[in-house]
Amino acid sequence: AQSVSQHNHHVILSEAASLELGCNYSYGGTVNLFWYVQYPGQHLQLLLKYFSGDPLVKGIKGFEAEFIKSKFSFNLRKPSVQWSDTAEYFCAVNYGGRRALTFGSGTRLQVQP
Amino acid sequence: KAGVTQTPRYLIKTRGQQVTLSCSPISGHRSVSWYQQTPGQGLQFLFEYFSETQRNKGNFPGRFSGRQFSNSRSEMNVSTLELGDSALYLCASSSQPGTSGNEQFFGPGTRLTVL
Repeated sequence: AQSVSQHNHHVILSEAASLELGCNYSYGGTVNLFWYVQYPGQHLQLLLKYFSGDPLVKGIKGFEAEFIKSKFSFNLRKPSVQWSDTAEYFCAVNYGGRRALTFGSGTRLQVQP
Repeated sequence: KAGVTQTPRYLIKTRGQQVTLSCSPISGHRSVSWYQQTPGQGLQFLFEYFSETQRNKGNFPGRFSGRQFSNSRSEMNVSTLELGDSALYLCASSSQPGTSGNEQFFGPGTRLTVL
């Protein structure tokens, strides 16, 4: 079965620290990759996506992610986090152009002021 | 554009009852997908509808069903509720097929509690 793994379940950082959240997916041919964020009390919002082309994609709020095909990874990064980045982050994949998303278990990020 | 709307936002039912949840996609979007979010299982795909036809289905029992209307609004139904059905049910919409068609926009969800 296709699966997505997020290695960090809970990350605590101080403001201005750098962030990297890991995401690995199981092989399944053509993939589209996404990072979603869920701020406290809010609905899931798309941070960034990768369909094709440049493997380094930039999203909203200073986030970026790098697709490394050989490692089946799509790690999320931000050079300097802010308190407002406190949220839960989900990596998601869809396979073969199908819309159905397979989600990772999520990473809860807590940024301390 | 208005976002994805879901009604009701909160629902309390008892075991054995059935429930219907509603989702209105973003205007112009014809694809609607449903997901279940629980602390234990995370986010899991239920099914997808496009042009009133179910296009894809996740690994859920037959008690979970859905439909889509000609105006793209969708409903999902859960019959014979079990305690384990307590979850946040999320609806997502996306536009026509194509490169950007796979991007999904999520609604706020319906919080279902089964007692």
